Amino acid sequence: AQSVAQPEDQVNVAEGNPLTVKCTYSVSGNPYLFWYVQYPNRGLQFLLKYITGDNLVKGSYGFEAEFNKSQTSFHLKKPSALVSDSALYFCAGLTGGGNKLTFGTGTQLKVEL
Amino acid sequence: DGGITQSPKYLFRKEGQNVTLSCEQNLNHDAMYWYRQDPGQGLRLIYYSQIVNDFQKGDIAEGYSVSREKKESFPLTVTSAQKNPTAFYLCASRVSGASTDTQYFGPGTRLTVL
Repeated sequence: AQSVAQPEDQVNVAEGNPLTVKCTYSVSGNPYLFWYVQYPNRGLQFLLKYITGDNLVKGSYGFEAEFNKSQTSFHLKKPSALVSDSALYFCAGLTGGGNKLTFGTGTQLKVEL
Repeated sequence: DGGITQSPKYLFRKEGQNVTLSCEQNLNHDAMYWYRQDPGQGLRLIYYSQIVNDFQKGDIAEGYSVSREKKESFPLTVTSAQKNPTAFYLCASRVSGASTDTQYFGPGTRLTVL
């Protein structure tokens, strides 16, 4: 079965510290992976995606993600967290022959002063 | 959210009623999607459409119906057969040239059954 997992329901980090939101995947063929962010009662906003090429992908708002094939992971990172980064983050993988996104269950990020 | 609109933002329904959620996009995207979001479960695919007059069931299509008569519009009807319709519904669209193109999401409709 093809799936995407986010092992942490919530991540807490102090403002100014680096943050990591974890994602692991299990998909057949080449993995195409995405990160989205959701603020309360809003739609999802696209942050970045990995299709092929460099394992370090840079995205919006200073976020980046590291693709690791041996560990089947695609962790989201930011060098210095902001309070405004507090939101729900979703990892997703392309499945169904490229027609469907399969989402993880989401990780609530809380950045505190 | 820009380019994809969903209405209404909040919708209340009595049990036994059908309701239709609107999704419109002005991005000239070929593919459109409907997802349901429940707390702690992520997003689950209800229906998707890759071209006008064609659509496929997603993972949780029972109790829902869609139409795709125009490229820019993909309305979702939540029927009385859907046993637990209270949820946050999200519409998305994608340029269909390559499967790896990004899906972009609308602002969502929160449906509550009274």
